[in-house]
Amino acid sequence: EVQLVQSGAEVKKPGESLKISCEGSGYSFTSYWIAWVRQMPGKGLEWMGIIYPGDSDTRYSPSFQGQVTISADRSITTAYLQWSSLKASDTAMYYCARRRGNWYFDLWGRGTLVTVSS
Amino acid sequence: NFMLTQPHSVSESPGKTVTISCTGSSGSIASNYVQWYQQRPGSAPTTVMYEDNQRPSGVPDRFSGSIDSSSNSASLTISGLKTEDEADYYCQSHDSSNHVVFGGGTKLTVL
Repeated sequence: EVQLVQSGAEVKKPGESLKISCEGSGYSFTSYWIAWVRQMPGKGLEWMGIIYPGDSDTRYSPSFQGQVTISADRSITTAYLQWSSLKASDTAMYYCARRRGNWYFDLWGRGTLVTVSS
Repeated sequence: NFMLTQPHSVSESPGKTVTISCTGSSGSIASNYVQWYQQRPGSAPTTVMYEDNQRPSGVPDRFSGSIDSSSNSASLTISGLKTEDEADYYCQSHDSSNHVVFGGGTKLTVL
């Protein structure tokens, strides 16, 4: 089955670090870009950035550049989104999604809920 | 910055037709493809339209997409509305820097 499986919900304190994952299966993981999308509570979708696991080429939204790091380990067909120092405002659902050629996302993970609270 | 603007909400009765608009802020919306995603409460988004007017398999033909260059807008039209269509709908494209852009989302109520 073609799918993206995301890691489970996280509860963290401000200042802590975090790395969440998105494992692709059922397709050639290195042949498709994987994007990360944020959805804050009750709000819309925001594109954070994208990575091509084939060569780890990574692009960031200007809004998220320097705030997060996107990476991938093609040996285990997994993409990552990480923070070095979380803030309460990072509380959100985070989705990974596979990009097709003409810039649309045809496959989505179920999301990872990140809660940052003291 | 390129932006996509959607109405905050629309509502219509079952069996009727509704159109959700997505207006580009600058340039020509026809320059890059527009996609539409449906997001039901508590669920991840799913694609209901891609490349302006292409339906993924499994999406009923009650869903259609179009581009109107004169108004620099894309539209998603849903005919024969069903209660199961009630959801948030997001349009998406990308800008000249290949940055993905989402519209703010439209809440569709089928009442």
